[in-house]
Amino acid sequence: GQNIDQPTEMTATEGAIVQINCTYQTSGFNGLFWYQQHAGEAPTFLSYNVLDGLEEKGRFSSFLSRSKGYSYLLLKELQMKDSASYLCAVNTNAGKSTFGDGTTLTVKP
Amino acid sequence: DAGVIQSPRHEVTEMGQEVTLRCKPISGHDYLFWYRQTMMRGLELLIYFNNNVPIDDSGMPEDRFSAKMPNASFSTLKIQPSEPRDSAVYFCASSLAGGVVEKLFFGSGTQLSVL
Repeated sequence: GQNIDQPTEMTATEGAIVQINCTYQTSGFNGLFWYQQHAGEAPTFLSYNVLDGLEEKGRFSSFLSRSKGYSYLLLKELQMKDSASYLCAVNTNAGKSTFGDGTTLTVKP
Repeated sequence: DAGVIQSPRHEVTEMGQEVTLRCKPISGHDYLFWYRQTMMRGLELLIYFNNNVPIDDSGMPEDRFSAKMPNASFSTLKIQPSEPRDSAVYFCASSLAGGVVEKLFFGSGTQLSVL
């Protein structure tokens, strides 16, 4: 099975930088994905990592260390609209993703 | 593309009734997933299909739940009989295997309330 851990809640200030961590234990690792979910809406894809290192995509970056079973999502220049739940998902067998419980981020003015 | 389409958006039913949730994946996608989301348990994978064939149904809670995919453009998730603890948001998602990124595209979900 898989065990995926991420903080339940985080709070940050508009314009700041926030890092959301995710640790996982799994077999047959095939990639780690980050999804954003606004209240009452469906999750949407943000970023993914298959190999170790940092992937940058505009204001969002994601980092992966496979040996440590660790990833983080970095959000820069926070905006109020970034208030949402951020879900870490581990992909093992082809096409199957298992999700963490999500981190609820609140951005304050 | 219209994206993944689910119906109904909301379903309110009484305990013991049969509930059928429907999903149309993105055209050309060959994987289809059914997830359930609750505050207590987060987003749980119930079952997934590859080319219309069920691959893993280990997440289906019990025999009251069943899912079918008769063709590449349609899937159903059925609960019979329904119970109050089945109340949740049910998401359908699809993806394309063999792509650079096997990201999931989610439908808008069905909010199910069993009274």
